[in-house]
Amino acid sequence: GEDVEQSLFLSVREGDSSVINCTYTDSSSTYLYWYKQEPGAGLQLLTYIFSNMDMKQDQRLTVLLNKKDKHLSLRIADTQTGDSAIYFCAASGGSYIPTFGRGTSLIVHP
Amino acid sequence: EAQVTQNPRYLITVTGKKLTVTCSQNMNHEYMSWYRQDPGLGLRQIYYSMNVEVTDKGDVPEGYKVSRKEKRNFPLILESPSPNQTSLYFCASSLYNTGELFFGEGSRLTVL
Repeated sequence: GEDVEQSLFLSVREGDSSVINCTYTDSSSTYLYWYKQEPGAGLQLLTYIFSNMDMKQDQRLTVLLNKKDKHLSLRIADTQTGDSAIYFCAASGGSYIPTFGRGTSLIVHP
Repeated sequence: EAQVTQNPRYLITVTGKKLTVTCSQNMNHEYMSWYRQDPGLGLRQIYYSMNVEVTDKGDVPEGYKVSRKEKRNFPLILESPSPNQTSLYFCASSLYNTGELFFGEGSRLTVL
């Protein structure tokens, strides 16, 4: 089945860009997602990209997809302390049931 | 307001005492799912349901039961809880079983 991998921690300075990386194994994955979990809360869908796209931009967020390498990244420009959270990568294929990575804890310090 | 509601949010119980965590969604979603979140292990799926009376095992179903008698409700039942079921549990739902999941706020369960 699908396996989604991402690093567990990322620490950045306020104002810098953050890049969170993710790899997945199933080349038939159709939808790729980024979810955000703030402290004490459930996950919320942040953005998603279809497998036929290379890039998607939404305000400070940029998602890049390298389908050949099965690599997904989330770039947050001008990172703020409010961006501190756990970010989950997820991939789903024909069944549409997403497989989640373990989550990357983003720590933003002044 | 569109939401997924879980209860209780916090529970401390003892080994072997049956408990139920309720989950209700008001968005008329067909797909519902339960996950547990543990440090370093991320989210692991326990059970999911594609529609009423249709349930399937996820990755870690042992020790859990579910039912889907109505579209809006998907309770998680621990018949005989054990300490290794101490975890943070999330219910989620989506329309047409896409990956655009709506999550509840979580239920933190401690089994002593």
